[in-house]
Amino acid sequence: IQLTQSPSSLSASVGDRVTITCRASQGISTYLVWYQQKPGKAPKLLIYAASNLQSGVPSRFSGSGSGTDFTLTISSLQPEDFATYYCQQFNNYPITFGQGTRLEIK
Amino acid sequence: QVQLVQSGTEVKKPGASVKISCKASGYTFTSYAFIWVRQAPGQGLEWMGWISTSNGNTNYAQNLQGRVTMTTDTSTSTAYMELRSLRSDDTAVYYCARVEDTIMALDYWGQGTLVTVSS
Repeated sequence: IQLTQSPSSLSASVGDRVTITCRASQGISTYLVWYQQKPGKAPKLLIYAASNLQSGVPSRFSGSGSGTDFTLTISSLQPEDFATYYCQQFNNYPITFGQGTRLEIK
Repeated sequence: QVQLVQSGTEVKKPGASVKISCKASGYTFTSYAFIWVRQAPGQGLEWMGWISTSNGNTNYAQNLQGRVTMTTDTSTSTAYMELRSLRSDDTAVYYCARVEDTIMALDYWGQGTLVTVSS
């Protein structure tokens, strides 16, 4: 299953609302996960089962979607949110990741 | 608290093998499977394979079949990933991650191990 994220990169300002999309090549129900990765660090789990916020993750992060189309939304960007975001499908093996969306400061 | 601590940086020549360890603590080791993921410099995340800590079952990425072996040692709560016949394009940071089955996600990750393959 291929996952295609868009955009590949995004420039935004603190306080902006941003949305990243992830499209699956076939239906994956809600077996979609979002991670945040900062340079030199391991990915961090943000959202599981498409729309469930992992414990400890700020509520400005939200996810939605099912089937083939999914979104990650950050309601009001904070300085610490500038990072790369990956979607991942857990519907079946081989597990696959999207190519990543790099979120940069405008 | 849950921790996954990986072994250190490796430098290998083409054709050699590398074995990376991932020591788990803070939870019952055999209750969670592991996934290994790698990330080439400046690139995205690539799933390498999965191993069950309860029975040792594995599922490897097709492009690594025959070169990769994942194992666990339940006596030391450690997972291992061995990659053989190394090539320059195996240069990457390698991560272990715990699979949380109840939410179908990777909830804890190791810190990563850089493997450089160079002659």
